Amino acid sequence: EAGVTQSPTHLIKTRGQQATLRCSPISGHTSVYWYQQALGLGLQFLLWYDEGEERNRGNFPPRFSGRQFPNYSSELNVNALELEDSALYLCASSLSFRTVGEQYFGPGTRLTVT
Amino acid sequence: SQQGEEDPQALSIQEGENATMNCSYKTSINNLQWYRQNSGRGLVHLILIRSNEREKHSGRLRVTLDTSKKSSSLLITASRAADTASYFCALSGGGYNKLIFGAGTRLAVHP
Repeated sequence: EAGVTQSPTHLIKTRGQQATLRCSPISGHTSVYWYQQALGLGLQFLLWYDEGEERNRGNFPPRFSGRQFPNYSSELNVNALELEDSALYLCASSLSFRTVGEQYFGPGTRLTVT
Repeated sequence: SQQGEEDPQALSIQEGENATMNCSYKTSINNLQWYRQNSGRGLVHLILIRSNEREKHSGRLRVTLDTSKKSSSLLITASRAADTASYFCALSGGGYNKLIFGAGTRLAVHP
């Protein structure tokens, strides 16, 4: 069974540009989570989608947004990129939010903003 | 803050020794999970322990949870060089499925 996949692996953007990161969950999982791991700040919860709806978001500005598609894959969009957005972005999936349990993580997308 | 605080920040041991990492938190939780991360890549789930459980085992891993002290520990027995990684505790609670991660413990196991 395939795990969580993310693309691209690396992404280099210039300040002010927009970045789009993609995630495909494990088959059968309806919940997708996004986390940011920035140097010195640890792993921070960004967004949670389940069954196409945004269920919760972390303490991030509105220029961080996303969506979940009918096949449960997800996109994270970061607008007006700032240097501080450079980080490893991790996507995770789990079974329906009705069962609180393990989250399975993808390998991440490393975003570098210059 | 619900964030877990891990201790120690870094741990260096020899192969064959045991490694113990601790996680403390401040609010009530539904469950506590431990993850491993190798070289800044994706996280690997190790163990989930629910708030009504006190101890769980998985291979060479042993996790304990003391909700009265709001603390958990991860013990890796007979460590191997391949165990070298960062280990994170993650808290789940409050009705939302987001995980709140601690800062992690960097474990180095020397051959």
